[in-house]
Amino acid sequence: GQNIDQPTEMTATEGAIVQINCTYQTSGFNGLFWYQQHAGEAPTFLSYNVLDGLEEKGRFSSFLSRSKGYSYLLLKELQMKDSASYLCAVLDSNYQLIWGAGTKLIIKP
Amino acid sequence: GAVVSQHPSRVICKSGTSVKIECRSLDFQATTMFWYRQFPKQSLMLMATSNEGSKATYEQGVEKDKFLINHASLTLSTLTVTSAHPEDSSFYICSARTGTENQPQHFGDGTRLSIL
Repeated sequence: GQNIDQPTEMTATEGAIVQINCTYQTSGFNGLFWYQQHAGEAPTFLSYNVLDGLEEKGRFSSFLSRSKGYSYLLLKELQMKDSASYLCAVLDSNYQLIWGAGTKLIIKP
Repeated sequence: GAVVSQHPSRVICKSGTSVKIECRSLDFQATTMFWYRQFPKQSLMLMATSNEGSKATYEQGVEKDKFLINHASLTLSTLTVTSAHPEDSSFYICSARTGTENQPQHFGDGTRLSIL
């Protein structure tokens, strides 16, 4: 079966750094997406990784290791508005998007 | 760029009513649109995938006669929940994608449907 694992909830402090991990077992791989979803709102696209390595985009970075079936989303200089759920999603060999359950990130002052 | 508009944002109606939700890509042509449902504190559940001009592909367990999808143009898809009941109350979200399958999906703002 296809499976994506990410922690259910994480807590971090304003101004700090947090890393949200995602591991996956899927039938094939055509890329991994990270989305941010604030409560009661629709997801917004953050990043896409298809090759190994780190992609940096402002305060957010996303890392991929295909051999390990592993990705992480790194958030720096945390702000209160970063409190949201972060969804990991993998594009499998049929280009079907497999969604993780999401990690709820709570930012404390 | 890549703006998707979805409305209405909220619907409250009586049991037995049919509800139509529209999803429009405003600044790009959406070759593929997706309809999701999300219950509180749960992940997105894909209901169906629609390609312009062809019939939608429904996920297992989703009744195609209850959730009617029309994707008549490259910028518009509609979802009609027919004869809605309280158990259909949920957050419905559409997304749109252009070009190849590895392009990101861009989401509308969602529709919160409450059936009394």
